[in-house]
Amino acid sequence: EVQLVQSGPEVKKPGQSLKISCKASGYKFTSYWIGWVRQMPGRGLEWMGIIYPDDSDTRYSPSFEGQVTLSADKSIATAYLQWSGLKASDTALYFCARSDSGNWFDSWGQGTLVTVSS
Amino acid sequence: EIEMTQFPATLSVSPGEGATISCRASQSVNNNLAWYQQKPGQAPRVLIYSASTRATGIPARFRGSGSETEFSLTISSLQSEDFAVYYCQQYKDWQTFGQGTKLEIK
Repeated sequence: EVQLVQSGPEVKKPGQSLKISCKASGYKFTSYWIGWVRQMPGRGLEWMGIIYPDDSDTRYSPSFEGQVTLSADKSIATAYLQWSGLKASDTALYFCARSDSGNWFDSWGQGTLVTVSS
Repeated sequence: EIEMTQFPATLSVSPGEGATISCRASQSVNNNLAWYQQKPGQAPRVLIYSASTRATGIPARFRGSGSETEFSLTISSLQSEDFAVYYCQQYKDWQTFGQGTKLEIK
């Protein structure tokens, strides 16, 4: 069974750094892309970017380029989303999801809630 | 970046009736279009990909159609579990989501 298990909720202050994770199991991690999707409170889904764990080829949405960093550690089948300086506007639920060939997402993590507040 | 526009934003329908949600792309995406359903407190799940192919386990009452720039998701004979938010997504040029359509009980 394909599973993506995300790290737990985070509460941070503006300016702090953060790295959240998405651990994959039940399939060959290096053969599928992992994407990240933001959902701000009461809002829709926003595609942030996507990474291919085998070679770390990464693409970012123009809206998120320079704001976040995607990475992956294939030795532990885990993808990461990180910020170097959080803002209150980063408060949201973040999903990771699996994609075959950069196409639709066929499996999703449960989401990680990030709250940024002073 | 390809923009996706969904309409209506909210659709009120009675159980047992049908519903159609539309999605328009700012440029052709061929048939590289997926539909997702999201219920409160849950992750989205894929319903349709390649514009009209139902994902594994998705009931036949969900039907996707369209190509190029105009797409629709039709749900026939709405069940209580179908009331949710629906998103379209293009994956021709990386990925973009529509802003969502809330399907609510009338």
